[in-house]
Amino acid sequence: NAGVTQTPKFQVLKTGQSMTLQCAQDMNHEYMSWYRQDPGMGLRLIHYSVGAGITDQGEVPNGYNVSRSTTEDFPLRLLSAAPSQTSVYFCASSPGRSIFMNTEAFFGQGTRLTVV
Amino acid sequence: AQSVSQHNHHVILSEAASLELGCNYSYGGTVNLFWYVQYPGQHLQLLLKYFSGDPLVKGIKGFEAEFIKSKFSFNLRKPSVQWSDTAEYFCAVSRGGSYIPTFGRGTSLIVHP
Repeated sequence: NAGVTQTPKFQVLKTGQSMTLQCAQDMNHEYMSWYRQDPGMGLRLIHYSVGAGITDQGEVPNGYNVSRSTTEDFPLRLLSAAPSQTSVYFCASSPGRSIFMNTEAFFGQGTRLTVV
Repeated sequence: AQSVSQHNHHVILSEAASLELGCNYSYGGTVNLFWYVQYPGQHLQLLLKYFSGDPLVKGIKGFEAEFIKSKFSFNLRKPSVQWSDTAEYFCAVSRGGSYIPTFGRGTSLIVHP
């Protein structure tokens, strides 16, 4: 199993450009989520999904869109990039309600995004 | 909304010193508790977790944590740190039945050889 795979690993955007950060998991996990990590701020939840076709906002959703058309994929879209979105983005997945055994969230390797 | 507080933002230790990192959360119901570690340039890895049972939890690499419900705390400990423990440490909490954790701001640990 590859676990949680994020692409790209690095990206530089110009202000106003749009792009999609990809996230895929091969563990058949129900729950997927996107976090951004900024110095001194820890990880803040952007959006999450509790299953295919279901998404919800986290703590810092503005400027981002998500969709969950399949169990495996959970892309994060930046609609019009701004310098404030310069950050490291992590995707995570966890089994969720369908699994009776408690477990933790598994994280991807991260995408370092710079908006100039 | 629940929040997670890590009181030590930067910790500097010498090898063989003991470590304790504080974590407190605000949610009063059933919680799941985690400590993650992030080595320089890498993604987050789970150190240990608590869901129920023995409040003293042992994790990887000699780390342990104690859940004290009355204090809403889940402090991380290691009796003797190594240079290779230099990393950022994150406490995370999710509500019982939820698997979307809320993270603290992290503690940067530097261990001098």
